[in-house]
Amino acid sequence: QIQLVQSGPELKKPGETVKISCKASGYTFTNYGMNWVKQAPGKGLKWMGWINTYTGEPTYADDFKGRFAFSLETSASTAYLQINNLKNEDMATYFCAREASFAYWGQGTLVTVSA
Amino acid sequence: DIKMTQSPSSMYASLGERVTITCKASQDINSYLSWFQQKPGKSPKTLIYRANRLVDGVPSRFSGSGSGQDYSLTISSLEYEDMGIYYCLQYDEFPPTFGGGTKLEIK
Repeated sequence: QIQLVQSGPELKKPGETVKISCKASGYTFTNYGMNWVKQAPGKGLKWMGWINTYTGEPTYADDFKGRFAFSLETSASTAYLQINNLKNEDMATYFCAREASFAYWGQGTLVTVSA
Repeated sequence: DIKMTQSPSSMYASLGERVTITCKASQDINSYLSWFQQKPGKSPKTLIYRANRLVDGVPSRFSGSGSGQDYSLTISSLEYEDMGIYYCLQYDEFPPTFGGGTKLEIK
């Protein structure tokens, strides 16, 4: 069956870097792009962007240009989200979700930012 | 960007009641709309895609309808396990955009 399994919770300090993984199984990884979605505590869902898993080309939503980077390890069917120079407002749960209809979601990765 | 206006933002309903949640897009989205259910501490679960196509394994009491700008999710007979927050998503046009969510609680 199709699964997206994300890496575990992270506790980071402001200014640090975090890299979250999303490992796909049950389908051909390069056939479907991967979205990233942010959910701040008690808030709704916000699309961050997506990565074309065939070409490796990332596309970022306007609010996520600059400190955010999507990447792939295609041989491992894994997508990554890296956030540099962490800020308090980055504290959230981050989800990967398979394009285009977001039919499949990872379980989420909680990133806590605290000095 | 396409704005998705979801209503109501919260609601109480009784077990067995018919429940309808709506999403209105700021422009025609050609039925490229999904509905999700999210429970506390969990990832969203996809219920409906393409406006009215039920995901395998989702109970048949859930249904989606609509076209153009206006869409709805209906639960024909509310069960306790249906509590949660429901979101719509349009994926017709870049960027994909979510509705603000509907918190459904049992009366």
